[in-house]
Amino acid sequence: RKEVEQDPGPFNVPEGATVAFNCTYSNSASQSFFWYRQDCRKEPKLLMSVYSSGNEDGRFTAQLNRASQYISLLIRDSKLSDSATYLCVVNSGNTPLVFGKGTRLSVIA
Amino acid sequence: NAGVMQNPRHLVRRRGQEARLRCSPMKGHSHVYWYRQLPEEGLKFMVYLQKENIIDESGMPKERFSAEFPKEGPSILRIQQVVRGDSAAYFCASSPTGPQDEQYFGPGTRLTVT
Repeated sequence: RKEVEQDPGPFNVPEGATVAFNCTYSNSASQSFFWYRQDCRKEPKLLMSVYSSGNEDGRFTAQLNRASQYISLLIRDSKLSDSATYLCVVNSGNTPLVFGKGTRLSVIA
Repeated sequence: NAGVMQNPRHLVRRRGQEARLRCSPMKGHSHVYWYRQLPEEGLKFMVYLQKENIIDESGMPKERFSAEFPKEGPSILRIQQVVRGDSAAYFCASSPTGPQDEQYFGPGTRLTVT
């Protein structure tokens, strides 16, 4: 089983739609969780950290389910500019961050 | 506050040459990480350094690759005797304390080996 697994997509959604991505991780000792976005041929950019209680930042909501070892990202009211690859990232203390391969989102006008 | 800086942005080397990639972390960050990304692949961790110390190099190939983060100056990722398979984007990231923190990435160096 891969350490961090994501559906590669692509998810093609119209503007204004709500879209959700899930990510599963294998290491139950994982402590830190993040969502990054990466545009084509650019560096990953931190979108948000994911906290146990769940957290929201504008149109973006992240949830963590430790029992089932998955993380989710919900994007409401999708914009064209949301088109990117979304990377699920997990850390287990002093070990390096482990990146999923990403889920590609394409928002269509 | 300048972000993570990497140079060069693009580097072309012939097989057998050496490649040197530089990374200056964000101001106040003393932890540096190098990643490699092949086309259509995810980011793979290579090495984690603090000033003058390699903390974790578990992701770095044993031969031809080395990294340093001297007391003064940028972190350097060095690839000796490059081969075509080394062609990739190499990203550097930094964080303020340790690997449990959020990491901030530089723009990357795209290495092409001809």
